[in-house]
Amino acid sequence: AQKVTQAQTEISVVEKEDVTLDCVYETRDTTYYLFWYKQPPSGELVFLIRRNSFDEQNEISGRYSWNFQKSTSSFNFTITASQVVDSAVYFCALSEVGTQGAQKLVFGQGTRLTINP
Amino acid sequence: DSGVTQTPKHLITATGQRVTLRCSPRSGDLSVYWYQQSLDQGLQFLIQYYNGEERAKGNILERFSAQQFPDLHSELNLSSLELGDSALYFCASSAGNSYNEQFFGPGTRLTVL
Repeated sequence: AQKVTQAQTEISVVEKEDVTLDCVYETRDTTYYLFWYKQPPSGELVFLIRRNSFDEQNEISGRYSWNFQKSTSSFNFTITASQVVDSAVYFCALSEVGTQGAQKLVFGQGTRLTINP
Repeated sequence: DSGVTQTPKHLITATGQRVTLRCSPRSGDLSVYWYQQSLDQGLQFLIQYYNGEERAKGNILERFSAQQFPDLHSELNLSSLELGDSALYFCASSAGNSYNEQFFGPGTRLTVL
């Protein structure tokens, strides 16, 4: 069965610090997708990134960057120069695809990130 | 705003009752997914529909059922409610039915008293 582990339950840093959120996954599939979602205090889930299993290039989007390492089954997320608005719960997820396009996201338990001013 | 709408935003009901949660996907999306978020279980996949047909089933209780209508909106029916069903229920949609990113609605917070 597929599994996503976010070992860091809570992280608290001071504004402008860099912070890395860890994500480790387990799957037997050779083709899969990984995702990060943000859940701010308002409660909605906001899509951040999708990465497929064949593309190990790191990705950067503004202050956000993602490091995908297939060898260690990890897909870590770094926020550079953190801001108070980055405070949220962050979820890593793995896409499990079955027959006829059946798809479900398997989520980690989430990491609650608090950025203190 | 993801473009996915869910109603109602909050729902308070009693044990044993039945409720219906409604979801309208983003324009053009054919797949609808339902997830449950609770403190003890985290975010759990319930069920997926694609263009009106059930595609995938997760840990959905027999007391729960869903459907997707011809206009692509979906409803999640929860019956014989128990205290443990209190949770945030999310609907998500995606363009196709494989590997696409899923866009989530704002959720319906269900409280069973």
